[in-house]
Amino acid sequence: DVKVTQSSRYLVKRTGEKVFLECVQDMDHENMFWYRQDPGLGLRLIYFSYDVKMKEKGDIPEGYSVSREKKERFSLILESASTNQTSMYLCASSLEGEKLFFGSGTQLSVL
Amino acid sequence: AQSVTQLDSHVSVSEGTPVLLRCNYSSSYSPSLFWYVQHPNKGLQLLLKYTSAATLVKGINGFEAEFKKSETSFHLTKPSAHMSDAAEYFCVVSDRDDYKLSFGAGTTVTVRA
Repeated sequence: DVKVTQSSRYLVKRTGEKVFLECVQDMDHENMFWYRQDPGLGLRLIYFSYDVKMKEKGDIPEGYSVSREKKERFSLILESASTNQTSMYLCASSLEGEKLFFGSGTQLSVL
Repeated sequence: AQSVTQLDSHVSVSEGTPVLLRCNYSSSYSPSLFWYVQHPNKGLQLLLKYTSAATLVKGINGFEAEFKKSETSFHLTKPSAHMSDAAEYFCVVSDRDDYKLSFGAGTTVTVRA
């Protein structure tokens, strides 16, 4: 089975801190995604990557950046965390056109 | 660009009665359409997928969805709800040549005994 692993299940950070969320997948998938999930808003795409060192902005990229130096790892970076970035962050991977495999999520609280 | 509208934020049904979750989409190209389910404190799981074969798609746990191009809809149904169907359901669209998937806001299903 595909495994998508997010490094932290819960994270608490202070306003202005730089935050790294890490995601690793073990099935050699080309595509990787970062979403945030907020009640009543569903999942909103932050960034995605379809190859190593490639990245594309999703619907809400402001305040975020990403890094994909290796195929299996896709990192989400909050350069200066703000309270409105408190959310559940979900990483996913897929082969082209195929279903998404999700990690278990990171609940980030910014105080 | 594609988008999805889930027409109901909450649906409440009695156990044993039919479930209908409504989804409308917009897409510039021939879309791929998905339904995902998220049970409380669990990860998202694919229920079913439409990619231009049969318009009626059967998924796991007795769910099915019908693609209607004329109505730009992809509604999810189940003939008889079970208590274990209580969860949040997401309709998802992807343009055929696009890597990006767009999620609806979700529909929370509660099942009454």
